[in-house]
Amino acid sequence: KNEVEQSPQNLTAQEGEFITINCSYSVGISALHWLQQHPGGGIVSLFMLSSGKKKHGRLIATINIQEKHSSLHITASHPRDSAVYICAVFQGAQKLVFGQGTRLTINP
Amino acid sequence: GAVVSQHPSRVICKSGTSVKIECRSLDFQATTMFWYRQFPKKSLMLMATSNEGSKATYEQGVEKDKFLINHASLTLSTLTVTSAHPEDSSFYICSASYSGPRLLNTEAFFGQGTRLTVV
Repeated sequence: KNEVEQSPQNLTAQEGEFITINCSYSVGISALHWLQQHPGGGIVSLFMLSSGKKKHGRLIATINIQEKHSSLHITASHPRDSAVYICAVFQGAQKLVFGQGTRLTINP
Repeated sequence: GAVVSQHPSRVICKSGTSVKIECRSLDFQATTMFWYRQFPKKSLMLMATSNEGSKATYEQGVEKDKFLINHASLTLSTLTVTSAHPEDSSFYICSASYSGPRLLNTEAFFGQGTRLTVV
């Protein structure tokens, strides 16, 4: 079992739908990242969370430290949101442990 | 946010040659840089961690003589793939972190990645 598990692995939705991607982890962490990787490969850090909730535009990220669970939500999804979303946790010493990623496809 | 620049974005090289990939932090001093490798449709795999001025720490199974990492300054780390082989073809990506008052030391900033093809 991976230390960081994401679900679903693949998600296809229609433009405008509300999207939720989940991340569960089994280790103690100092912080959790949500990352976005576009087909070209570059990675963008969307959020860094250690508690609570953060919002940036149509993106919302939440984390429950007690339950070791985080969610990434996308409201009013758009085809340009199509990408791989990766959950990664910091396990001390600045080392990141990555989930396997969720491939999101938003159809027009 | 902070910017990490990785160069080149794509490189094709012949078997047996060496390829150098650069990772620069443009607007902050990166105390630690990480090198990752990503296979198609797989997640990132940490290859090594480098701290400025000291030897890199390699993950188990990563050949340090094949993947040479140099972190000579607080803004530059390089990964050199020596005696490249077709099985080294992959996507390589760096990230940098910063410890200081302006940014938390758990912030990570990623380069754009380098797609290496060895023919």
